[in-house]
Amino acid sequence: DGGITQSPKYLFRKEGQNVTLSCEQNLNHDAMYWYRQDPGQGLRLIYYSQIVNDFQKGDIAEGYSVSREKKESFPLTVTSAQKNPTAFYLCASNTGDSNQPQHFGDGTRLSIL
Amino acid sequence: GQNIDQPTEMTATEGAIVQINCTYQTSGFNGLFWYQQHAGEAPTFLSYNVLDGLEEKGRFSSFLSRSKGYSYLLLKELQMKDSASYLCAVRASGGSYIPTFGRGTSLIVHP
Repeated sequence: DGGITQSPKYLFRKEGQNVTLSCEQNLNHDAMYWYRQDPGQGLRLIYYSQIVNDFQKGDIAEGYSVSREKKESFPLTVTSAQKNPTAFYLCASNTGDSNQPQHFGDGTRLSIL
Repeated sequence: GQNIDQPTEMTATEGAIVQINCTYQTSGFNGLFWYQQHAGEAPTFLSYNVLDGLEEKGRFSSFLSRSKGYSYLLLKELQMKDSASYLCAVRASGGSYIPTFGRGTSLIVHP
């Protein structure tokens, strides 16, 4: 079955530590996205990529970094520069056509120790 | 920028009908999505509207009025499993094609 896999489901970070969240899709989608979701807030866009080896900053990119070396994979690194990283992180993908919905992974919940 | 408004929370009774509203202000309009999200899970796609009118899909329908900057999601014959958050996402014309999400409406269905 095609889909998006995020891992791990739960992640804990120590102060000053970088952590990387994994996102893999086998839907053959060109576009991939990372969102952050906080309680009572909508999804906020961190980074997106429309094609391999290219990515763009979203609305809240500071303190995060990404790479897109393969079509299937779009890992997100939460760096120590992100001062408030505790949140639910969602990865999504779609074909890139403007009228196509996004398919979401099950999310990673990041907490600070 | 874009401004998207949804009620924070709604409650309804099993078997009833509920309407969840979404109003938006954008610089141009190029489509509106509705997603359902159960707590701690992935959002799943419900509907897409780009033209005025009603789109029906089983128990769920979505309506759009572009002149009023308004959409609603109508859920009929409510079931307990419909308790979830409902997200409205609007895509503006020009610039980025990526939709902006509202804060979501938490729907609680009780017996």
